[in-house]
Amino acid sequence: SQTIHQWPATLVQPVGSPLSLECTVEGTSNPNLYWYRQAAGRGLQLLFYSVGIGQISSEVPQNLSASRPQDRQFILSSKKLLLSDSGFYLCAWTQGGQGFSLKETQYFGPGTRLLVL
Amino acid sequence: AQTVTQSQPEMSVQEAETVTLSCTYDTSENNYYLFWYKQPPSRQMILVIRQEAYKQQNATENRFSVNFQKAAKSFSLKISDSQLGDTAMYFCAFMKHAGNNNDMRFGAGTRLTVKP
Repeated sequence: SQTIHQWPATLVQPVGSPLSLECTVEGTSNPNLYWYRQAAGRGLQLLFYSVGIGQISSEVPQNLSASRPQDRQFILSSKKLLLSDSGFYLCAWTQGGQGFSLKETQYFGPGTRLLVL
Repeated sequence: AQTVTQSQPEMSVQEAETVTLSCTYDTSENNYYLFWYKQPPSRQMILVIRQEAYKQQNATENRFSVNFQKAAKSFSLKISDSQLGDTAMYFCAFMKHAGNNNDMRFGAGTRLTVKP
C-alpha cells in the first residue's frame, strides 16, 4: 500500500533562517506531488506541483521554492523565512500519467506545522 | 480561474441527526472532480467522498452522501446519523483535469461541531 511521509512534524524557526521540509511517498512510482499551505483558520493554497523529477510548477510568487531530486521525494525550501511563511504545510500525491480516470484522488501527508518568530 | 465557495464558516448538529454542508464552485470546465475532505484536530486531510462531473448519480460513502447539481455548480455534503468523531473542518475541493496535472482548489472550510 502507498504511504506518504512528511517531516518534521513541527518546526519553529527565526525570521531570516533557511527552511527545508521533506515529503516522501512509498509504494508507488512516478506520482504527481503537491505542496499546500494552510494559514490558521483558512483553506488550502496550492504552492507547487510536480509531475516528474526536476519538473516544478509554481502557483503563486513567493518566498519559497520546491525541488524534486528523486521520483518520490519532494522538498520545500526557503533561503530566508518571513513571518508570513508561518502555517501548516501539507504534501499530497496522486497517481501520475494521463487519462480521465479514478486515479486523480489526492492523498495527503500528516503535515508540518511551521512557526516563524 | 476556478473558485470554490463554502458559505457556512461554522455549523453544529446534535449527535445522531443529519447535517448538510454547502459548497458552490465556478468553472468553465466540463470534466472535473469534486471532493469533500475532513480535517480533524490532528490537521491531517482525510478524503471523505468524491464525485466525477460526468456522472449524474450522486456519490455515497456509508453515512456520507453528496447532492451534485452540475448546472447549478453546487456540491453539498450530507452527513447522516452524525457522530462525535465527525467533528472537524470540512473542505470542499475542485479539481480540473488538464493533461498530466491535477489542479486542485479548496474552499475556505466549514467547521462542524457534533454535540452530544
